[in-house]
Amino acid sequence: GNSVTQMEGPVTLSEEAFLTINCTYTATGYPSLFWYVQYPGEGLQLLLKATKADDKGSNKGFEATYRKETTSFHLEKGSVQVSDSAVYFCALGSNTGKLIFGQGTTLQVKP
Amino acid sequence: GAGVSQSPSNKVTEKGKDVELRCDPISGHTALYWYRQSLGQGLEFLIYFQGNSAPDKSGLPSDRFSAERTGGSVSTLTIQRTQQEDSAVYLCASSLEQGAGQPQHFGDGTRLSIL
Repeated sequence: GNSVTQMEGPVTLSEEAFLTINCTYTATGYPSLFWYVQYPGEGLQLLLKATKADDKGSNKGFEATYRKETTSFHLEKGSVQVSDSAVYFCALGSNTGKLIFGQGTTLQVKP
Repeated sequence: GAGVSQSPSNKVTEKGKDVELRCDPISGHTALYWYRQSLGQGLEFLIYFQGNSAPDKSGLPSDRFSAERTGGSVSTLTIQRTQQEDSAVYLCASSLEQGAGQPQHFGDGTRLSIL
């Protein structure tokens, strides 16, 4: 069946450091891929998405590229800020739209 | 301002009682999804609606769980004879249409605690 695996957290970085959060998936067919973010005390928000191979999603300085050959969708940001501290979820969207989530990665950015 | 609205935001109840959780999706969104977020299991899909029909109920954990949607809008998730393992945050999401690439908009969730 379809599944998503994310790197374990927590990830602790200093402000302005480079961020990578790894995400790999297993799927039949051609799913869409998403990153959702949950800031402290807030609901899940869509961060970015990609709907086909080689697509790059980007938003708020974050990027992720849909790599079919490595079944990956790693999240990157060149320079993190304290305000980026949150839980990040990689997700796979099936044909019905149902989302299958990874376990989430907590990011803490220190000043 | 019409995001996805869920009520109640918090619910504490005794084991064995029934609970109803409500979701009001974004106006005009035809697809509606229920998920559950718990410490041990992460974020799990429960059920989704396209209009008033539920083509996929595969995530409902037991027959104590049911959901309905009326008028293509509001949905109610009902848990009968609650158990302690039902404690979790129940999230509702809606999207304009059903489909793999459609972004889902989430409500703030209902935090359910079973004593």
